Amino acid sequence: EDKVVQSPLSLVVHEGDTVTLNCSYEVTNFRSLLWYKQEKKAPTFLFMLTSSGIEKKSGRLSSILDKKELFSILNITATQTGDSAIYLCAGVRGSTLGRLYFGRGTQLTVWP
Amino acid sequence: GAVVSQHPSWVICKSGTSVKIECRSLDFQATTMFWYRQFPKQSLMLMATSNEGSKATYEQGVEKDKFLINHASLTLSTLTVTSAHPEDSSFYICSARPGTSGSNEQFFGPGTRLTVL
Repeated sequence: EDKVVQSPLSLVVHEGDTVTLNCSYEVTNFRSLLWYKQEKKAPTFLFMLTSSGIEKKSGRLSSILDKKELFSILNITATQTGDSAIYLCAGVRGSTLGRLYFGRGTQLTVWP
Repeated sequence: GAVVSQHPSWVICKSGTSVKIECRSLDFQATTMFWYRQFPKQSLMLMATSNEGSKATYEQGVEKDKFLINHASLTLSTLTVTSAHPEDSSFYICSARPGTSGSNEQFFGPGTRLTVL
């Protein structure tokens, strides 16, 4: 059975802290892993990771995939209150349909 | 680019009525669209995969007669919740996958909050 597990489920930090969010996956015929940020409405795309060991970076956010150990991490440095959100990771099965398997998400709260 | 819209953004209806939710890809063609529902503090649960011009593929446990999906064009998919009941109240989100080969990226609509009284 395909599954994606995220940890921690919730995290509270102060502005300026660095956080690491974890995502482990077991997805049949795995193709790639996606990270999304969800605030009040629908998720917004952050990263798509397909190759192992190659870091993707966007501002203060970065992410990397380890296909041997079947996990990914999302790092956020110098956190700001605007980073408060649910962060979702999803594994993509290798098929033409591209079905996503979502984890439960990590609720990140950044206090000023 | 890659904008997906949903209409309505929220709807309140009486128990027993049917509600139609539209999902449109505004600036790209989407051969595949996905419908999710999300309960408070829970993750997105895939309900069905919608392919243009063919029948939708439903996930296990999702009633196809209850949640009717129509993907009539490359930019529009609709989800109709038939004979809605209070337990159908949820946040419904669609996503669309661009028709380019090999692309796994999906773009999400803003969601529709359904409340059934």
